[in-house]
Amino acid sequence: RKEVEQDPGPFNVPEGATVAFNCTYSNSASQSFFWYRQDCRKEPKLLMSVYSSGNEDGRFTAQLNRASQYISLLIRDSKLSDSATYLCVVNMEGGKLIFGQGTELSVKP
Amino acid sequence: EPEVTQTPSHQVTQMGQEVILRCVPISNHLYFYWYRQILGQKVEFLVSFYNNEISEKSEIFDDQFSVERPDGSNFTLKIRSTKLEDSAMYFCASSRDPGHQPQHFGDGTRLSIL
Repeated sequence: RKEVEQDPGPFNVPEGATVAFNCTYSNSASQSFFWYRQDCRKEPKLLMSVYSSGNEDGRFTAQLNRASQYISLLIRDSKLSDSATYLCVVNMEGGKLIFGQGTELSVKP
Repeated sequence: EPEVTQTPSHQVTQMGQEVILRCVPISNHLYFYWYRQILGQKVEFLVSFYNNEISEKSEIFDDQFSVERPDGSNFTLKIRSTKLEDSAMYFCASSRDPGHQPQHFGDGTRLSIL
């Protein structure tokens, strides 16, 4: 089983759509969780941390279920500028980040 | 907003040559990391560094790799004798703590081995 597994994508959606990404992780000792976005051949940029209580940042909502080792990201009212690859990232003890393979999102006008 | 900076942005080197990739982490961060991303693949952890020593390294980080913090600002990754398969984007990252604070990434060095 992969350490961090994401929806394979790509997701092609119209502007204004709501899109949800799913992610599972295998190591129950994982300490913290993040969503990063990566534009083509650029560095990963932090989108948001993910907390067990769920958290929201504008149009973005992240959820964590430790019992089922599942993380999600919901994007509402998607914009053209949301087009990117979304990376589910798990932080192990000591700071080692484990990345999923990414889910590509393409928002069309 | 403070950021991690990396130089050079692109390095082209002959196989077997040594390369040094440079990074300036965010100034109040104490934990430093290197990751790599081979074209079309996921980002992979290489090494973490704290208090002037390696905290953890991956299987990729073999004897050909080394890291150093030669002064108060720079953090370097050296590859002693490069191989074709070392061609990748190399990202430096830093954080305030290793557990719960997010890591901030530099914009990467694209390493091309000929």
